[in-house]
Amino acid sequence: NAGVMQNPRHLVRRRGQEARLRCSPMKGHSHVYWYRQLPEEGLKFMVYLQKENIIDESGMPKERFSAEFPKEGPSILRIQQVVRGDSAAYFCASSPGQENSPLHFGNGTRLTVT
Amino acid sequence: TQLLEQSPQFLSIQEGENLTVYCNSSSVFSSLQWYRQEPGEGPVLLVTVVTGGEVKKLKRLTFQFGDARKDSSLHITAAQPGDTGLYLCAGDASGTYKYIFGTGTRLKVLA
Repeated sequence: NAGVMQNPRHLVRRRGQEARLRCSPMKGHSHVYWYRQLPEEGLKFMVYLQKENIIDESGMPKERFSAEFPKEGPSILRIQQVVRGDSAAYFCASSPGQENSPLHFGNGTRLTVT
Repeated sequence: TQLLEQSPQFLSIQEGENLTVYCNSSSVFSSLQWYRQEPGEGPVLLVTVVTGGEVKKLKRLTFQFGDARKDSSLHITAAQPGDTGLYLCAGDASGTYKYIFGTGTRLKVLA
C-alpha cells in the first residue's frame, strides 16, 4: 500500500508567483488535511477536506490560499502571489475518517520564497 | 489559540536517562494521539489513547491519558539516541475530525 505522496518535495518560488502543492492520500482514505510547519515549531492546522468538499478551512488565510480535493486526482493546496512569509514546510495527511483513526502523513513540501 | 500546550519545549539528555513529556489542554478530547517526527519527514503515529486514565506501553515508552481527558503524558525509560526527534500530541476537541497538534517537544538524546 503506497503511503501519502506529496510533490514536489522542494519548491522554490519568487515573490508574486503561484505555488501548487499536491497530495495523493492513501488508498481508501477519504479525508485529507493540510498543515503548515515552521522550523522548530509544531504543526498548524490549515484545512480539512473530503472528496469535493471543504469541511473546515478555519486555519487557512482568507486571501491567496485555496485548497481542493476533486473527485479524481490529488488534493491541491494553492498559494497565489507568494510572499517570503509563506516559506515553510507544508504537510498533507489522510485518514479513513473513522473515530480515533490516526493521520498518515506525507513527507511534506518545503516551499522557499525568494 | 493553541489548544494543546506541550512541555518542555526542548529537552537534551544523556543516554540511559528517563524523561516525561506533557501535553495539556483546557478542552476535553475524545482521544489523544502521540506522533514522532524526524528531520525531513512527516510525523508518524506512536499511539492513540481513548479512555480517561488509560495507560499504554510501547516498549520503553509509556503513554497516559488524564482522567478528565484533558491531558496526556509520555514517559520514556532509559532513553536512547534513536529516540531523538520531535514529539507531538494531537487531538480532536470538537468531535469533527479536525485534529489540532500541540506545540511539540524536541528531544535530543546524547550518546
